[in-house]
Amino acid sequence: QQKVQQSPESLSVPEGGMASLNCTSSDRNFQYFWWYRQHSGEGPKALMSIFSDGDKKEGRFTAHLNKASLHVSLHIRDSQPSDSALYFCAASPITGNTRKLIFGLGTTLQVQP
Amino acid sequence: EAAVTQSPRNKVAVTGGKVTLSCNQTNNHNNMYWYRQDTGHGLRLIHYSYGAGSTEKGDIPDGYKASRPSQENFSLILELATPSQTSVYFCASAGGAQDTQYFGPGTRLLVL
Repeated sequence: QQKVQQSPESLSVPEGGMASLNCTSSDRNFQYFWWYRQHSGEGPKALMSIFSDGDKKEGRFTAHLNKASLHVSLHIRDSQPSDSALYFCAASPITGNTRKLIFGLGTTLQVQP
Repeated sequence: EAAVTQSPRNKVAVTGGKVTLSCNQTNNHNNMYWYRQDTGHGLRLIHYSYGAGSTEKGDIPDGYKASRPSQENFSLILELATPSQTSVYFCASAGGAQDTQYFGPGTRLLVL
């Protein structure tokens, strides 16, 4: 079973709309979350990390973490066609001196002009 | 922005042949990673390294070796390539206050 589960699998929103992506960890040891974005033909790029309960905002992107339920969401306001991409949630424990990330399968976002 | 480069970007290999994928980072990061990305499986960790001279097995190491000869370079070696190793391979280095992983552009490998 995937330790990190994402929903929905795919999402289509109109330009200027709000996109909401969800992620849940099934392992209480994995409580540190990242969101990555991958455009077609490129490597994943880190959008933001969130380690504490509550909201974290960076520009048009807001992440929300609920540690009790191990649920994290990503909200993209004023979505642009350039936001069309594959979005990964990744979770990590802190073990040793490196962080091993476990990635979800991703949500494909399509922003319609 | 952290810089990670990979070579080659595309590779066609024959079954049973040896393949070496190279990764270079100029960020002075200690930690480096090799992943493969496949539809339905997402990104899966093959090998990682804490620094020059060290390599550790990830979640799917079978059929792969890794080498970290220097801080900057991390190679993935397929001694006897098989068609099941056809995939897109990503290298990453990690550093900064939150140990964020920075990915390279990927190598698309086709094993015939």
